Amino acid sequence: DGGITQSPKYLFRKEGQNVTLSCEQNLNHDAMYWYRQDPGQGLRLIYYSQIVNDFQKGDIAEGYSVSREKKESFPLTVTSAQKNPTAFYLCASSIRVSTNSGNTIYFGEGSWLTVV
Amino acid sequence: QKEVEQDPGPLSVPEGAIVSLNCTYSNSAFQYFMWYRQYSRKGPELLMYTYSSGNKEDGRFTAQVDKSSKYISLFIRDSQPSDSATYLCAMIYGNKLVFGAGTILRVKS
Repeated sequence: DGGITQSPKYLFRKEGQNVTLSCEQNLNHDAMYWYRQDPGQGLRLIYYSQIVNDFQKGDIAEGYSVSREKKESFPLTVTSAQKNPTAFYLCASSIRVSTNSGNTIYFGEGSWLTVV
Repeated sequence: QKEVEQDPGPLSVPEGAIVSLNCTYSNSAFQYFMWYRQYSRKGPELLMYTYSSGNKEDGRFTAQVDKSSKYISLFIRDSQPSDSATYLCAMIYGNKLVFGAGTILRVKS
C-alpha cells in the first residue's frame, strides 16, 4: 500500500539527548514536511523539503535538524537545544511544494515524543 | 491575530444531528481550502478539498466556501459516533499552508 510510515510511534527521551524520528514515503512525492502538534495550537511547520538534498526552515525550526538524502526519506532529529520537545510529531508529503495547482498534503500516523 | 481561526470546542451532539464546523480567515489570498479529520493519536486524513466559493458534497459531508466573507464550513449530516474526532481546516496560498487549531467533535449515541 502507498503511504507514509513514521517510526517509532512512541519515544521517550532523557534531558540532553538527541533523538531521531524516521519518516518514509512510497508515494513518489517530491515534497516532504515535518509538523509539530500541541494541544490547542494546531499544526506548526518545523522543516520542509522540496527535493533531495534541499530543505527549508519552517516556523519553529530552532532545536531541530533534518536531512533529505533520498527522495523517500526525511528524518527529523530533535536536539538537546529544543527546550520543550514533548509533542506529537507529524510527517507529511505532497507531490510538490508549489501549490499553484492546489496539490494536497498527506500525513503519516505520527510519533509521540516525551521527555522524561 | 491568527491567519486562520477555528473554535476548539468541544462540540457535543446527539447521533443523527447535523453538525456545522467553521473556520474564518483573514488573508484574502487563500485559494485552496481543505478539511482534515484526526482521530485521537492518529495522523490527520484528508476529508474534503475545495477551490472555489460554493458547495462541494461527498456522501454525508458538505464543504462550503464563502470567499467574500472569508468563511468556510464543513457540514456533517446524520452524524455518527464514528465521526467523533478533531476536525482541522487548512488553507493554501502560494507555497504557504496554514492550519486551524482544530475543533473537537463528540457524537453521542
